[in-house]
Amino acid sequence: QQPVQSPQAVILREGEDAVINCSSSKALYSVHWYRQKHGEAPVFLMILLKGGEQKGHDKISASFNEKKQQSSLYLTASQLSYSGTYFCGTEMYHSGGGADGLTFGKGTHLIIQP
Amino acid sequence: EADIYQTPRYLVIGTGKKITLECSQTMGHDKMYWYQQDPGMELHLIHYSYGVNSTEKGDLSSESTVSRIRTEHFPLTLESARPSHTSQYLCASSMTGSQPQHFGDGTRLSIL
Repeated sequence: QQPVQSPQAVILREGEDAVINCSSSKALYSVHWYRQKHGEAPVFLMILLKGGEQKGHDKISASFNEKKQQSSLYLTASQLSYSGTYFCGTEMYHSGGGADGLTFGKGTHLIIQP
Repeated sequence: EADIYQTPRYLVIGTGKKITLECSQTMGHDKMYWYQQDPGMELHLIHYSYGVNSTEKGDLSSESTVSRIRTEHFPLTLESARPSHTSQYLCASSMTGSQPQHFGDGTRLSIL
């Protein structure tokens, strides 16, 4: 079951904030966030596990609402280097316990203008 | 500082050829993955492995096959390439459990 990301694209001025959402209709084991720049490999940002946790990395943070099966990525005071496509990847529980590989959303294209 | 390597980086080849895309990692990760990604689109999991002699099919059906004879090596093979196989193929690895996936630079495959 592919997670749904919103918005599809965002254009910001440098210094503005952005929120990217990722939601699933299935119970999630974890949510991963990656950023991919054009022509490059995806780069890991953070993982959120069940329990409604929040994490932060510099001016990028994320939350996971287990009740809603939704994760949000927060980009504060955006920098030019934040431009790229952001993907959430979800892991679901399976009958054997634990989780299998990631199912990625369609991505959110973020453009930061000076 | 890439610890996961994919070769070739680019491959343009004719229909019907047998192709092997190489992927190696030096991090000692048990789990390895192959994703297919078209330009500007999402990643689709096509194969994964939990360790040596373990291979599983992913969410996206693929005509490719994989093998895992050594921990560090996870090649992907297409027995007879077709234009529909044209895409980017990304290899990744991670430690056991819900851990970050480290991606290689990918192979851009074009089948004429």
